[in-house]
Amino acid sequence: ETGVTQTPRHLVMGMTNKKSLKCEQHLGHNAMYWYKQSAKKPLELMFVYNFKEQTENNSVPSRFSPECPNSSHLFLHLHTLQPEDSALYLCASSQGQGGDTQYFGPGTRLTVL
Amino acid sequence: AQSVTQLGSHVSVSEGALVLLRCNYSSSVPPYLFWYVQYPNQGLQLLLKYTTGATLVKGINGFEAEFKKSETSFHLTKPSAHMSDAAEYFCAVRTNTGFQKLVFGTGTRLLVSP
Repeated sequence: ETGVTQTPRHLVMGMTNKKSLKCEQHLGHNAMYWYKQSAKKPLELMFVYNFKEQTENNSVPSRFSPECPNSSHLFLHLHTLQPEDSALYLCASSQGQGGDTQYFGPGTRLTVL
Repeated sequence: AQSVTQLGSHVSVSEGALVLLRCNYSSSVPPYLFWYVQYPNQGLQLLLKYTTGATLVKGINGFEAEFKKSETSFHLTKPSAHMSDAAEYFCAVRTNTGFQKLVFGTGTRLLVSP
């Protein structure tokens, strides 16, 4: 595997379910990001981790819970989501944190029923 | 605060025609600017970026962009469109205050007709 991978690619869940999204980067980067992409809206930065430490939480509801066990892996744990949380969730990584060139995964298309 | 505005949510061109996607930025300091492309069912891919130096930046797939400070613009161009260029294009600026991050525009969908 090369670049940034995300699993699953598609997820359908009910509002009472608990699920997790996984991201893995094979680029040796230090920083990882979660973004939410909704139709007709700009990409929304959700969380940033730098060297496994969370450095940004962009006022994301607590029903989204990130986890970064090491610099190569990033998870987004989901519970009691709402239909408006349906979106494409993108993971990215970069060598430095913040605005350095970011490399994106293919995303997970999430549908909340 | 830094921001970008992309004019036109959709742009349609014929194959072989010039592609011009517009991006204007707002920044009180010299900006770092990026163009990303997103093909269907894929993540974003970096096309090109401007940091410092030469104002005409060349990217992948024949795209280029020119940083014009006087116009606060960073428009993306390609001389001749291919069908494979059909995708969504995002302009982004790196913030320079507080936590540095990318702020994206709303995107422009490029449609290429035969």
